[in-house]
Amino acid sequence: DTAVSQTPKYLVTQMGNDKSIKCEQNLGHDTMYWYKQDSKKFLKIMFSYNNKELIINETVPNRFSPKSPDKAHLNLHINSLELGDSAVYFCASSQGSQREEGETQYFGPGTRLLVL
Amino acid sequence: DAKTTQPNSMESNEEEPVHLPCNHSTISGTDYIHWYRQLPSQGPEYVIHGLTSNVNNRMASLAIAEDRKSSTLILHRATLRDAAVYYCILGEQGAQKLVFGQGTRLTINP
Repeated sequence: DTAVSQTPKYLVTQMGNDKSIKCEQNLGHDTMYWYKQDSKKFLKIMFSYNNKELIINETVPNRFSPKSPDKAHLNLHINSLELGDSAVYFCASSQGSQREEGETQYFGPGTRLLVL
Repeated sequence: DAKTTQPNSMESNEEEPVHLPCNHSTISGTDYIHWYRQLPSQGPEYVIHGLTSNVNNRMASLAIAEDRKSSTLILHRATLRDAAVYYCILGEQGAQKLVFGQGTRLTINP
């Protein structure tokens, strides 16, 4: 069983469209994240949710809206897609216990988004 | 966010040990040192973490300098499957986000 899964794996779309990426974790974790990896391969956190509540929002355009229907799912909706949104988007989860040493994060396989 | 410095790339041979260095001269007393790696076309995966003492697990060992300004990830016997980008990340106490740098791209020669 895949611990953190994302759909779709690949997404090719036109500029201006609206699209969603789904993420599910079956680890029983309380915290979920979205990261973006651009063409230069830099990985940056976008959002973090703990028990369906937004706890990190790292200066991401309003066109990006995360939605957490329950603590096992964190979906990413993107409005009015732009060329610069082309990237690989990774979902991750962690236990959410806020241990002193931080928490091990478990990443999904990524969604490769190409905006034409 | 605390910064780390790693070589852009390293190369090693299969079945030989690999020592991946990381400098973190601005580390604070409560920052943990985390290592993740990203295999080609996959998401990052956790490797190891530590605070002051050296750590061992089934994947690797982490050697932390006495002044904590640097650390080394040790793969004892590299395999082709260990070819990946290795990230050294400082984690602030209780912090949940990971701040990735450029990492070290490790190539393993057969």
